[in-house]
Amino acid sequence: EVQLVQSGAEVKKPGQSLKISCKGSGYSFDTHWIGWVRQMPGKGLEWMGIIYPRDSDTKYSPSFEGQVTISADKSISIAYLQWSSLKSSDTAMYYCARRRASSGGMDVWGQGTAVTVSS
Amino acid sequence: DIQMTQSPSTLSASIGDRVSITCRASQSITYSLAWYQQKPGKAPNLLIHTASTLESGVPSRFSGSGSGTEFTLTISSLQPDDFATYYCHGYKSYPGTFGQGTKLEIK
Repeated sequence: EVQLVQSGAEVKKPGQSLKISCKGSGYSFDTHWIGWVRQMPGKGLEWMGIIYPRDSDTKYSPSFEGQVTISADKSISIAYLQWSSLKSSDTAMYYCARRRASSGGMDVWGQGTAVTVSS
Repeated sequence: DIQMTQSPSTLSASIGDRVSITCRASQSITYSLAWYQQKPGKAPNLLIHTASTLESGVPSRFSGSGSGTEFTLTISSLQPDDFATYYCHGYKSYPGTFGQGTKLEIK
């Protein structure tokens, strides 16, 4: 079964760092782009960025460039999303998703990682 | 940056109704458009890619049309399971842009 499994919920304080993960299985991880999507409470979906695990080519949405870092370790089929200094406004659900190989559209999604940042 | 404008933001309809949701791109994205359904507390689910190609397993009452800058998602006969929020996604340029979402409610 093709799936993406994300790391568990996190509760952090402002200023702390965080790295969440997304593990792929059931397919060739390094040949599909993996994207990260933010959903703030009660709000819509926002693209953060996307990475190609084979060569770590990464593209960020302008709103998130410099705010987060996306990386991947193809040897263990894991993509990461990390923050160096969290803000309360980073409180959200974060999803990873796989881009279809032959055409666009994100066809497999992780279950989501809830991040709460509060003092 | 390409902007995606989705309308309406909320749609009230009844079981059996035919409904349509529109998504407009700020510049041409040819056929690089996907539609997703999201239910509360769940991850989005891909319904349609390449503007009109139904994803495997998605009921045939869902259809997509359009190209360039204007796209439409149509549900031919609403079922109880269809009440959810729908998003368009333009992906001609990476990583892409989502529309603001359309919440489909029971009338």
